[in-house]
Amino acid sequence: AQRVTQPEKLLSVFKGAPVELKCNYSYSGSPELFWYVQYSRQRLQLLLRHISRESIKGFTADLNKGETSFHLKKPFAQEEDSAMYYCALRTRLAFGKGNQVVVIP
Amino acid sequence: DTGVSQDPRHKITKRGQNVTFRCDPISEHNRLYWYRQTLGQGPEFLTYFQNEAQLEKSRLLSDRFSAERPKGSFSTLEIQRTEQGDSAMYLCASSSGLADYNEQFFGPGTRLTVL
Repeated sequence: AQRVTQPEKLLSVFKGAPVELKCNYSYSGSPELFWYVQYSRQRLQLLLRHISRESIKGFTADLNKGETSFHLKKPFAQEEDSAMYYCALRTRLAFGKGNQVVVIP
Repeated sequence: DTGVSQDPRHKITKRGQNVTFRCDPISEHNRLYWYRQTLGQGPEFLTYFQNEAQLEKSRLLSDRFSAERPKGSFSTLEIQRTEQGDSAMYLCASSSGLADYNEQFFGPGTRLTVL
């Protein structure tokens, strides 16, 4: 079975402060992991995926197979980062419950 | 708009009625997915198609649910004898190619309310 855990439901951070969203997964095979984001009144969209090893909008995420984690990080939060963030696993995406991020100006 | 579209956007029905939703994927995308999202939860996988073939169904998809993609283009999701527990947002997504890590493009969703 595949499972994704995002422990914090709501995260409030001040503008300019670092952001870290935690994601832990459970999967017996080789994991493919993603972060999806949903801005207010917009549809769900891909933020980044582990295979690309890229930084999108200042966000990065590193797959740690030993800790079965794929935490999302950004060194300096911006107001436009306020959104729902979902960690997801594999093709038939197993989503976590999501993190509501509120950036306080 | 060349993105994924879903119709209707909202559906209110009475318990016991049948409902059908439609999803039009991005043109040429061979994979199409259905998800269900309830309040406070992330989307839950229901089923997916590769072209016209339905390759996987979640245990969440009871016998009252059926999905089709007859010509490998648009897809329909039908719920028979709706129950209040079926109230949710139903999301459709599509992707190209065969790789598991390809980006899925999501539609706006159909919000179902069962009274």
